[in-house]
This record gives sequence, C-alpha cells and structure tokens, in this order.
Amino acid sequence: DTAVSQTPKYLVTQMGNDKSIKCEQNLGHDTMYWYKQDSKKFLKIMFSYNNKELIINETVPNRFSPKSPDKAHLNLHINSLELGDSAVYFCASSQVIAGVPTYEQYFGPGTRLTVT
Amino acid sequence: RKEVEQDPGPFNVPEGATVAFNCTYSNSASQSFFWYRQDCRKEPKLLMSVYSSGNEDGRFTAQLNRASQYISLLIRDSKLSDSATYLCVVDFSGGGADGLTFGKGTHLIIQP
Repeated sequence: DTAVSQTPKYLVTQMGNDKSIKCEQNLGHDTMYWYKQDSKKFLKIMFSYNNKELIINETVPNRFSPKSPDKAHLNLHINSLELGDSAVYFCASSQVIAGVPTYEQYFGPGTRLTVT
Repeated sequence: RKEVEQDPGPFNVPEGATVAFNCTYSNSASQSFFWYRQDCRKEPKLLMSVYSSGNEDGRFTAQLNRASQYISLLIRDSKLSDSATYLCVVDFSGGGADGLTFGKGTHLIIQP
C-alpha cells in the first residue's frame, strides 16, 4: 500500500541513451512533481503537473520531458543522457482541497540514476 | 529570486542535548514554511509546518521571524534517531501546486 512509488529504484546507463522513470501515486492527489537531488544533496524542482497540465517548468534541458497518462501517474523521460544527469530523482504528490493546496508533499523513494 | 539558505553542518551533538538551527529565505512575500527531514538515502518527509505564531510538536519547536526572514527549528532532549538532514522549505508562490523551494539541508549527528 505504498503511497508514491517509483520504478526503477536504480538505473545505470551509458551516455547518449534514452531512459524513462515511472511514478505512480495511490493517494488520489491531483498534483504531481519531479525533483532532482544532485551529488551535493541539493533538491530542486523540475516539473509539476496539475490535472494533467504542466503548470510549471523550471529551466531544465528539453531533453527531459514529463508525461502524465492520467492523474495517478507522472513519468519522466530523458533523451540523450549526459554525465551531469547523474542524480537521484524524486517524484512527489500533493492535494488541492476546495481550491486551497495542502502543502504537504509526499515523496516517492527516489530513483538513483548513474550515467557512465 | 527564490533562495533558501541553511548551514550545512554537520552538527555533532551529544544525546540528550538541545540543538537549534536556522535558515533564511529571500522573498519577504513568501507564504508558507516547513521543515522536512531526510534520512540517508531516503526520501524527504514532512517534519512540521511553521506557523507565524510558532508551533511545537513534542520535542520539536519551529519559529518564524518574518521581519528578519528566518525560520528556526529547536530539538530538545535529542535522540539518536534524530540523526538526519533537516531541510528548510519555503513555498514562494502561495500555492503548493507550484512546488516548494528546498534549502540544501543541515546535517545533524546525535552521538551516544
């Protein structure tokens, strides 16, 4: 009964490859996010989706593309992987109740991506 | 400009001691403030929200100083299990749907 799940947990791949990370939440939340945590442990937001619409897009390379097939899923696709993409990627979700966001974000366990 | 600054530590503290750390944020119009906890190789989890009047949850007390734009966290009677990285988090947009801005975290080590 995991709230926010991500697959895979570990991903090792070579430069230039294309890969996807999947995220699913069973909390019924309507907003989902992707964060990147680099080697210095700095956690930075990349994207968020609300009701299947991208509502923010921080200055990340366009090699990264979020895809949301439905409200419970937000996948992250990365093209032409680079060494600098190595990091831990966290998915998260939160809920808006009666037009007011609840600020607690629930995070998935993370996907540790290593590009060689 | 959205910035959250924290002392990365590590703070080495003996078990049972009281420890406090602060963070500063860049935008005086910021709406909401939080402390998250992240254990080694785990995901961040909400520890507590920070209210303008200050709030307490067991051994943890959070305070907000809007005039000086800083947030504090106080841990009393520290336990070994309190060892973690504590992330100061600010919602600059007034709505959670735009995501949160995290500080780099303060690493706390409680020693027996």
